[in-house]
This record gives sequence, C-alpha cells and structure tokens, in this order.
Amino acid sequence: DAKTTQPNSMESNEEEPVHLPCNHSTISGTDYIHWYRQLPSQGPEYVIHGLTSNVNNRMASLAIAEDRKSSTLILHRATLRDAAVYYCIRRRGATNKLIFGTGTLLAVQP
Amino acid sequence: GAVVSQHPSRVICKSGTSVKIECRSLDFQATTMFWYRQFPKQSLMLMATSNEGSKATYEQGVEKDKFLINHASLTLSTLTVTSAHPEDSSFYICSARGARGSGVTDTQYFGPGTRLTVL
Repeated sequence: DAKTTQPNSMESNEEEPVHLPCNHSTISGTDYIHWYRQLPSQGPEYVIHGLTSNVNNRMASLAIAEDRKSSTLILHRATLRDAAVYYCIRRRGATNKLIFGTGTLLAVQP
Repeated sequence: GAVVSQHPSRVICKSGTSVKIECRSLDFQATTMFWYRQFPKQSLMLMATSNEGSKATYEQGVEKDKFLINHASLTLSTLTVTSAHPEDSSFYICSARGARGSGVTDTQYFGPGTRLTVL
C-alpha cells in the first residue's frame, strides 16, 4: 500500500508557522516523499520533495525523520493563500507513480 | 518553468458523444504523462500512465477502450472519453514528468484540469 496517513484537517493563524505531519511507516528505501497542494477546481501544485535529507525551497521546508517513517511539511509563515488541501505522497522510484491519499485540508484564519 | 496546460478547461456534452482532452507541456519535453480523475470532495485517482511513442498503461479498473490515451509527441498527450455517460462526469487532470536533461525529471507538474459534464 503506497498511501500515507495525514490528519483530515488543520487550522492555522495567518503569519504563524504551520507543521503538517505525514506518516509513511511502510516506506521503502527508494521511495521519495512528495508534497503537493490543491485549491478547489485546480490541478495540484508541486510544493517540495525529498528522499532522506531535510529540504528547503522558497515555498516550504520538508523535515524527514531519521527512520523515514514520517515527515513534516513546514510553512514558515502561513498566508491566506496557503489555505488548500495538502497531499503527502510516496513516489515509487521505479514507476514514478504518485498515489494520492486523502490529504490535509488546511484552513488559515486571518 | 514547468508549465502544463489542458484544453478545454470545461466541456459539456450529450450522453453518447466522445470528448477529447489535450494535455501539453509548454516549456519542457515530457516522456511520461499521467492522467487522473477526481470526483467532488475526493482525492485524485490515477487512471493511466502514458509514455511517448508507446501504449498507455492503465490502472486496475480503468477501461482502456473507454478512455483512449495517445501520447504522440514529447509535449502532447490526449485523453478521449468515448461514448461518455453521466457517470463519466468528473474533473480530469493530467501531469507531466520531464525527459532526461529537461531539468524537471524529479517530479510531476500538473495541468489545471478539465471539468467534464455529461448530460
């Protein structure tokens, strides 16, 4: 089963950091962890991805546990535009398929 | 960079007709494109994987004769919903993964989606 486990929903206040958790306890050594987000009636937007080391880009940071069984997406300062469904996905290295789970609906309060 | 477009963005058709949806990678070459379907308030479901110049690989439960996929070039894949029925109404989304050397090989970039409504 390539799916991950995420909380159904989370709330944050504007300009505060947000930590979105993801469990992937059966991850294999060649699986990458990808994060996408989706606004209503739009295609998913790439956020970040990683394999073993923590990753940073202009949108977010990805902290990967040492045993790789969990990871956390960090939005450093949430804005209203960050309200979306966030998907944590395992990508099988061999197939490159992305199998989407149910994601976390993030609400950002002003 | 890494822009994927879809056309049309929205289509309404009568039951029994066929509908073609185009997916284009605008600024990179994509050896692999993926097609997803998303019903209201649900997650994306992978339908098929399309490789340039070869037959698409369909996920279990997806009818290949119902959903025809063609990936004729490194920048274009098409999905044709044949003999569409109301239950085919959904949000269809494509994604593209860059070819080696394109600089966008590590992940997939998604199109904006096509809303299909079958009356």
